[in-house]
Amino acid sequence: DGGITQSPKYLFRKEGQNVTLSCEQNLNHDAMYWYRQDPGQGLRLIYYSQIVNDFQKGDIAEGYSVSREKKESFPLTVTSAQKNPTAFYLCASSAPWTGVNTEAFFGQGTRLTVV
Amino acid sequence: SQQGEEDPQALSIQEGENATMNCSYKTSINNLQWYRQNSGRGLVHLILIRSNEREKHSGRLRVTLDTSKKSSSLLITASRAADTASYFCATDGPGGTSYGKLTFGQGTILTVHP
Repeated sequence: DGGITQSPKYLFRKEGQNVTLSCEQNLNHDAMYWYRQDPGQGLRLIYYSQIVNDFQKGDIAEGYSVSREKKESFPLTVTSAQKNPTAFYLCASSAPWTGVNTEAFFGQGTRLTVV
Repeated sequence: SQQGEEDPQALSIQEGENATMNCSYKTSINNLQWYRQNSGRGLVHLILIRSNEREKHSGRLRVTLDTSKKSSSLLITASRAADTASYFCATDGPGGTSYGKLTFGQGTILTVHP
């Protein structure tokens, strides 16, 4: 089945630790995105990538880092510099932007909790 | 920044009734999309309406777009308990500025009672 897979579903981080969230897609999409969702809130864009080996900061990139070495993969690292990392993280992908947006496909999310 | 703002924040109805959710946005757009999110899950795309369209249908969903008022509405007819979820509108920006990025509103929580 084609889709976008996030792992793990639940992740616990100790204060001061870096953690990496995985996102893999087999939809052959060039564009991939990371969003953060806080309780009762909408989604806020952390980072996005339109093509392999290139990525751009979104609205709330501080304390996060990404890489895009393969088309299929867009891992997100939550660093110790992120002071309030407890949230629900969603990865998405879409077809290349050609002047108009197409639909985004989302993974099932990773819930990160700081303990 | 939140481009889309949904109204109401929460909506509670009985099965069989219609549900209407509204979305307002601030800047010009190429298109507007609606997504659904079940509790604790990812988002699922429902419908996309382009800036030159005024109304679009998909099954029990009807979406309208008024670019002069910068607003959109999502109507779910004959609602079912399974429609219980959060609904989000998402907008892109005018050409050359968004590169596929979507800006989401805060969502409307819909509860449909059996």
